[in-house]
Amino acid sequence: DAGVTQSPTHLIKTRGQHVTLRCSPISGHKSVSWYQQVLGQGPQFIFQYYEKEERGRGNFPDRFSARQFPNYSSELNVNALLLGDSALYLCASSPGQGALGYTFGSGTRLTVV
Amino acid sequence: ILNVEQSPQSLHVQEGDSTNFTCSFPSSNFYALHWYRWETAKSPEALFVMTLNGDEKKKGRISATLNTKEGYSYLYIKGSQPEDSATYLCAPREGSQGNLIFGKGTKLSVKP
Repeated sequence: DAGVTQSPTHLIKTRGQHVTLRCSPISGHKSVSWYQQVLGQGPQFIFQYYEKEERGRGNFPDRFSARQFPNYSSELNVNALLLGDSALYLCASSPGQGALGYTFGSGTRLTVV
Repeated sequence: ILNVEQSPQSLHVQEGDSTNFTCSFPSSNFYALHWYRWETAKSPEALFVMTLNGDEKKKGRISATLNTKEGYSYLYIKGSQPEDSATYLCAPREGSQGNLIFGKGTKLSVKP
């Protein structure tokens, strides 16, 4: 059974551009969360989606948005990219919003130049 | 908002040594504590999820304890092996609907 898959694995964007990151959860998992990890820090919570609705949002600007599709996959969108958005973006899936187990993907490495 | 502290920041040990790390967090509104093992270029791997004060979990040579009243958890590795080299992250969680709040991690290097 496939784990959490994220695409692309790496990408390079220019300041001011827009980026879309994708995540497919484990089959049967209905909740997807997004985390940002910058060098030297632990992953920081961005969003949680459950049953296609936003259920939690971290302290990130409105340039960050996300959505969840009927098949429970998810997209994270970032507009007007800044150099400081360069980070590893992790997706985690869980069976439900209050479930104990979170399974992570291997992330998308975004570099903004 | 939880403030999560992990110590030490990094650790270098010889193969066969036993070691332990600490995760400290505010004890109010605690729901669960997650430990993850994260090797470079891989996805974080779940080690333990702990919910009850006094919980002890074990997985092979790795074990963890939880004290929710004083707000700390210890992770122990017995007889470290080079393949244990990774960053170990703890992440407490407030409430059943809450998200994970990660510490900065402890980076373990085990020399053969």
